[in-house]
Amino acid sequence: NAGVTQTPKFRVLKTGQSMTLLCAQDMNHEYMYWYRQDPGMGLRLIHYSVGEGTTAKGEVPDGYNVSRLKKQNFLLGLESAAPSQTSVYFCASSPYWGNEQFFGPGTRLTVL
Amino acid sequence: EDQVTQSPEALRLQEGESSSLNCSYTVSGLRGLFWYRQDPGKGPEFLFTLYSAGEEKEKERLKATLTKKESFLHITAPKPEDSATYLCAVQDNQGGKLIFGQGTELSVKP
Repeated sequence: NAGVTQTPKFRVLKTGQSMTLLCAQDMNHEYMYWYRQDPGMGLRLIHYSVGEGTTAKGEVPDGYNVSRLKKQNFLLGLESAAPSQTSVYFCASSPYWGNEQFFGPGTRLTVL
Repeated sequence: EDQVTQSPEALRLQEGESSSLNCSYTVSGLRGLFWYRQDPGKGPEFLFTLYSAGEEKEKERLKATLTKKESFLHITAPKPEDSATYLCAVQDNQGGKLIFGQGTELSVKP
């Protein structure tokens, strides 16, 4: 099993550009999450999904959109990137709410 | 508001020098407290879940304990390969999300 995978690993954007980050898991987990990690801030939840076709806002959702069209995939979109969105983005999944979460390797995004 | 504070921010130990990391939390009702390990350039890796005060869990040189206000991650006779950032997170029993602390960066020198 690959676990949780994320693509791409690195990306550089210019302000105003758009992009989509892809997360895939092969563990048949119901719950999936997108976090961002910034120095001194810890991991902060952006959006999450409790099952295929569902999404919900987390702690810092502004400027991001998500979709969960298939159970195994969770997409994070930035419609108009801003320098404040420079961060490392992690996707995670869990079988149930409250279980430990399994994290992907992360995507390092720089917005110039 | 749920809050998690980890201390110290950074800890340097000599190989074999035991110590503890602290995770203080404020939560309306604790569903679970989680410890993760994160190596540079990688995603967090799950270590432990603690559910109630007095609970303890061990894994190799690591032992996690829980009280009503804080959790400790005790590291006994650490080795250089234990060097990593250790993250603590809490989840409340209202169906809340995980709230992470900022982490403790542990460095173990041979």
